[in-house]
Amino acid sequence: QSALTQPASVSGSPGQSITISCTGTSSDVGSYNLVSWYQQHPGKAPKLMIYEVSKRPSGVSNRFSGSKSGNTASLTISGLQAEDEADYYCCSYAGSSTPYVFGTGTKVTVL
Amino acid sequence: EVQLVESGGGLVQPGGSLRLSCAASGFTFSSYAMYWVRQAPGKGLEYVSAISSNGGSTYYANSVKGRFTISRDNSKNTLYLQMGSLRAEDMAVYYCARVHATADAFDIWGQGTMVTVSS
Repeated sequence: QSALTQPASVSGSPGQSITISCTGTSSDVGSYNLVSWYQQHPGKAPKLMIYEVSKRPSGVSNRFSGSKSGNTASLTISGLQAEDEADYYCCSYAGSSTPYVFGTGTKVTVL
Repeated sequence: EVQLVESGGGLVQPGGSLRLSCAASGFTFSSYAMYWVRQAPGKGLEYVSAISSNGGSTYYANSVKGRFTISRDNSKNTLYLQMGSLRAEDMAVYYCARVHATADAFDIWGQGTMVTVSS
């Protein structure tokens, strides 16, 4: 199972919106509405930001939203803030033999 | 407080073995599937292994199959990863993670434990 493809970096100014893409295949992203997104600050553990494509866990800002079309999922961060600067990883369920596959990761920089 | 705390990481020679532990607290450990996810220095996240809530089913990434063994002791609220025949490419921070009860996502993560493979 290959890693999902994400852009290496995305940047934006405070207050702007950015979108991170996550491209998989018909065996993972395209087959299941089970895409999740994680935020990771340097030296810290990942934090769940979005699950089941577009649902937000309690406590996660509504500035974070998710969507999916075909084999590509997306995470949008609106009203970009300095604390959003971090690495972001997508993850998709991929079937019982290899349950989960992660994305390559995207570094978000707030200019 | 819901918490996962890993331990057992350290320096090991190539070909050596190491056992990681993950102590759970603040939730009913025996009700959740649990995972190990690793992150090599400067790299992305990689699924390593999974175990069902009762320990009856286990899963492994191809990269560790035959070398790593996942297990759990629900009486001790602890998850384990026995790692053998370690290679340089196994060097990483190892996280244990809980899968959300009703959604396929990792909702709780430990702080991670570093495994260094070097002679």
